[in-house]
Amino acid sequence: DADVTQTPRNRITKTGKRIMLECSQTKGHDRMYWYRQDPGLGLRLIYYSFDVKDINKGEISDGYSVSRQAQAKFSLSLESAIPNQTALYFCATSDPGHPPEKLFFGSGTQLSVL
Amino acid sequence: AQSVTQLGSHVSVSEGALVLLRCNYSSSVPPYLFWYVQYPNQGLQLLLKYTSAATLVKGINGFEAEFKKSETSFHLTKPSAHMSDAAEYFCAVSGHSGNTPLVFGKGTRLSVIA
Repeated sequence: DADVTQTPRNRITKTGKRIMLECSQTKGHDRMYWYRQDPGLGLRLIYYSFDVKDINKGEISDGYSVSRQAQAKFSLSLESAIPNQTALYFCATSDPGHPPEKLFFGSGTQLSVL
Repeated sequence: AQSVTQLGSHVSVSEGALVLLRCNYSSSVPPYLFWYVQYPNQGLQLLLKYTSAATLVKGINGFEAEFKKSETSFHLTKPSAHMSDAAEYFCAVSGHSGNTPLVFGKGTRLSVIA
């Protein structure tokens, strides 16, 4: 089984719909992240959480919200999806550390908003 | 704020030729630098990281990178390309505190020609 599991793997939805992307991990890591990948733009950080009670906005948080339900679960919601949110979404986890520990990525969720 | 610039969105090399993927960083303090690789339909995985212990860093699959402060660069190299190296490569930077999430470059797609 994968250490970082994202569901669903693919999703097609319509403009204005609410959608949730889920991420669960068995790594036991405190830190979890949501990134989106767009061709030519690389990965951009949406939200991150350093522990269950900690939520932080990333570079592009507008139009998104998150919930850290437990150490192992971190969900990303699009309250009212729009076409420019069509992208590949990645969840990642890491341990705290200095220097920083490596990120472990899920396989991604391809979201299409029509 | 830290950032990285990857020069060249697409690099094409012949099998057996040198691979050189360029990354320049911008940081007001000594950064931590990373190279990640993304194979088709997969999440990212760590190739190598620079944490100030040594300027020449060796990673997996024969890749290495050299930190050059004078040039603010962290270029990725491999002496001899293999077909299996075809992937997208991302340079990333983290602040020195260890408490800031990684900031990724826009990526470089490597094609290997037989």
